[in-house]
Amino acid sequence: NAGVTQTPKFRILKIGQSMTLQCTQDMNHNYMYWYRQDPGMGLKLIYYSVGAGITDKGEVPNGYNVSRSTTEDFPLRLELAAPSQTSVYFCASSSPGDSVGRAFFGQGTRLTVV
Amino acid sequence: RKEVEQDPGPFNVPEGATVAFNCTYSNSASQSFFWYRQDCRKEPKLLMSVYSSGNEDGRFTAQLNRASQYISLLIRDSKLSDSATYLCVVNERTGFQKLVFGTGTRLLVSP
Repeated sequence: NAGVTQTPKFRILKIGQSMTLQCTQDMNHNYMYWYRQDPGMGLKLIYYSVGAGITDKGEVPNGYNVSRSTTEDFPLRLELAAPSQTSVYFCASSSPGDSVGRAFFGQGTRLTVV
Repeated sequence: RKEVEQDPGPFNVPEGATVAFNCTYSNSASQSFFWYRQDCRKEPKLLMSVYSSGNEDGRFTAQLNRASQYISLLIRDSKLSDSATYLCVVNERTGFQKLVFGTGTRLLVSP
């Protein structure tokens, strides 16, 4: 059982470049999330989804976009990379029927924008 | 005021010590509460849920005080392997499962 899988694990982008962070889960979870974690800081919610075709903004959505065409996949798109987007990105998933809020995380993507 | 507040630490304790972490949350309508553990450069993992009646899992005890909006985690007989950052997490349940994370408390257990 793979759980939540993120790719890539590491990436260096130049300012202005675009990229997609991939996230897939095999637990049939309805809820999926993207967080970013800056050094020494807590996790900030970027976007979330309550099911296929439904997404909404979290607390720090600017500069990002998401889509949820299937239950399994929840990619995060950075359109014009900026140094302020240097961070560790975590994808997570949870099920409304599973301990009310327990989340399973991917291993993270470490992104550096130079 | 931050939604979930924790003392960032670090807490430096010797092996075998008992250590306690506290956390306060601002949303009185919050529904469920958790402690997650995060090792350096790794993803957060659920340590334990926190119930109003208090709950224990081996050397770990969690308590919730809804009236004071306060959550605690007690670790007894600390091990070197307990060194990590402990994240207080609150589910605000505003229409979906909105998990709000504290910034974490760093624990360093030394020999």
